[in-house]
Amino acid sequence: GAGVSQSPSNKVTEKGKDVELRCDPISGHTALYWYRQSLGQGLEFLIYFQGNSAPDKSGLPSDRFSAERTGGSVSTLTIQRTQQEDSAVYLCASSLAVEQFFGPGTRLTVL
Amino acid sequence: GDSVTQMEGPVTLSEEAFLTINCTYTATGYPSLFWYVQYPGEGLQLLLKATKADDKGSNKGFEATYRKETTSFHLEKGSVQVSDSAVYFCALSVGNDYKLSFGAGTTVTVRA
Repeated sequence: GAGVSQSPSNKVTEKGKDVELRCDPISGHTALYWYRQSLGQGLEFLIYFQGNSAPDKSGLPSDRFSAERTGGSVSTLTIQRTQQEDSAVYLCASSLAVEQFFGPGTRLTVL
Repeated sequence: GDSVTQMEGPVTLSEEAFLTINCTYTATGYPSLFWYVQYPGEGLQLLLKATKADDKGSNKGFEATYRKETTSFHLEKGSVQVSDSAVYFCALSVGNDYKLSFGAGTTVTVRA
């Protein structure tokens, strides 16, 4: 079946612009996670959605970052007023239980 | 807070060599432990897991045993192949949300 998909695969933006990154989880998976993979910080948890519960936003690095999940399926991660330190690969994962299935990531470059 | 420390890389081996990647953890409560692998040009995928002390996870010839007394989850493979070249991440999760805390990753290159 279809895995987790993310779009765009690459995004280049200018400092100060807003960006939206999209994640389509595996159908039926109730949990959805966003992580960030950067050279300086490794792999970091950002935010977690589980069903209709309030999201766990404890990993978001600043209030410029936000995410939503519509209808318990597709999720969008929004970064406002991007900074150069936001450059990273943003990974989405979904799961039904313990094992998380990761998407290919969106590589964000902020010039 | 919860954290994972894994062996720094890069590691370069010849085919059929023995591979060990050390991983230790600090966690409140009782974590589940994982090894994820990222092959060149591909996404992260789960290699193996163990959810309680003394459990052994295994897959594709790789093994790791959850050692509570030494807070470790070392990854081993007895005879590596070129196709095992990848970045390996040790990770843990605590509680029912399963959000992962990752180690820094170890790059392994296997030469023919």
